[in-house]
Amino acid sequence: EPEVTQTPSHQVTQMGQEVILRCVPISNHLYFYWYRQILGQKVEFLVSFYNNEISEKSEIFDDQFSVERPDGSNFTLKIRSTKLEDSAMYFCASSVGDRDQPQHFGDGTRLSIL
Amino acid sequence: RKEVEQDPGPFNVPEGATVAFNCTYSNSASQSFFWYRQDCRKEPKLLMSVYSSGNEDGRFTAQLNRASQYISLLIRDSKLSDSATYLCVVPMNTGFQKLVFGTGTRLLVSP
Repeated sequence: EPEVTQTPSHQVTQMGQEVILRCVPISNHLYFYWYRQILGQKVEFLVSFYNNEISEKSEIFDDQFSVERPDGSNFTLKIRSTKLEDSAMYFCASSVGDRDQPQHFGDGTRLSIL
Repeated sequence: RKEVEQDPGPFNVPEGATVAFNCTYSNSASQSFFWYRQDCRKEPKLLMSVYSSGNEDGRFTAQLNRASQYISLLIRDSKLSDSATYLCVVPMNTGFQKLVFGTGTRLLVSP
């Protein structure tokens, strides 16, 4: 069964440093997403991406965050200057369509900011 | 009302028991609903999609009550492997791309 893959599985970074999280969505999917889950809290939407542009973003997704699809397969989330509160599990997801289509999640990148 | 609300549990049940979880949502315009399962420190995995009044898949049954803005998940004949957190998930906003997750209901099935 096709799946969403994410790398790295764990990233440890000093506060203030830039970090890039990588995702390979399911190949025939057209919509891509990032979510995060702070330890002990619920999963929160960050951003959705379609046709090479952001289609929706949350209040969490401020100027420090950016997303990119640099080639036909990868989908990346960049955090420019990390803060302690960025420590969380980051999940990438993809779906065939938008409305009414389930999103399939990768196994996540655990980001630890020191 | 919160966007998506669930009883956090935990629900402690013996193997073989039937257990039901409830979820309420605030956006009356939402058309589709999902139940995901999340194991400790793992990714959410799709369990069921609910588009009309309900859906059944083996031991799992989901029901939707649009008038009350309420979704339920019923698990029959619980297995030890059903122990997990069950997330009620509702698409929100104009494009319905933003999934809003409930806090999840924790289920512990014991021998």
